[in-house]
Amino acid sequence: ETGVTQTPRHLVMGMTNKKSLKCEQHLGHNATYWYKQSAKKPLELMFVYNFKEQTENNSVPSRFSPECPNSSHLFLHLHTLQPEDSALYLCASSQDHLRPSGRGGTGELFFGEGSRLTVL
Amino acid sequence: KQEVTQIPAALSVPEGENLVLNCSFTDSAIYNLQWFRQDPGKGLTSLLLIQSSQREQTSGRLNASLDKSSGRSTLYIAASQPGDSATYLCAVEGDRGSTLGRLYFGRGTQLTVWP
Repeated sequence: ETGVTQTPRHLVMGMTNKKSLKCEQHLGHNATYWYKQSAKKPLELMFVYNFKEQTENNSVPSRFSPECPNSSHLFLHLHTLQPEDSALYLCASSQDHLRPSGRGGTGELFFGEGSRLTVL
Repeated sequence: KQEVTQIPAALSVPEGENLVLNCSFTDSAIYNLQWFRQDPGKGLTSLLLIQSSQREQTSGRLNASLDKSSGRSTLYIAASQPGDSATYLCAVEGDRGSTLGRLYFGRGTQLTVWP
């Protein structure tokens, strides 16, 4: 398998449930990302991991809890969500987050197909 | 804060037309600009990446230009086909301060090409 794969593709949960989204990247990349895509809003960065270390948390509520056991696997644990959290959650990867000095920028991002979350 | 705007929000054209999609950004302190394609209910596919020092990139029927100083990019699609129907998003990566390493996305242009 190649690229970035996300499971499940669709998830419906109640506000009291606990669930997890999973992302696997098979590109040998060191950096992984969680993005949220809501209707009528631009993509929002949630978390960045570089070499298993969380380097960014974009003021995300604690009901979203990321986990990155290694660069190939990324999870987003969900608990006590709100209906307004319903969205498409996208995982992405890149070779590194901010390439070594002198090379500038992060470079190309590769996205998974997303997990469509509905909170009832 | 960086803001990215895409015009038009939606575009519907007959097959064969040459198209222009526009993207503008407020802060010119960027590493690069990327154009992505998103099919309904799917993830994003990177189409072209233009480094801040470059003026344009080409891939097949797609050509993207970048004018960093004026904060604008244009995606040209030549000889459009129904298979080009999708939402096209642009994103810029900040190169300093609080924007460093962050991608800022526009809301996209929804393109429909009819036979």
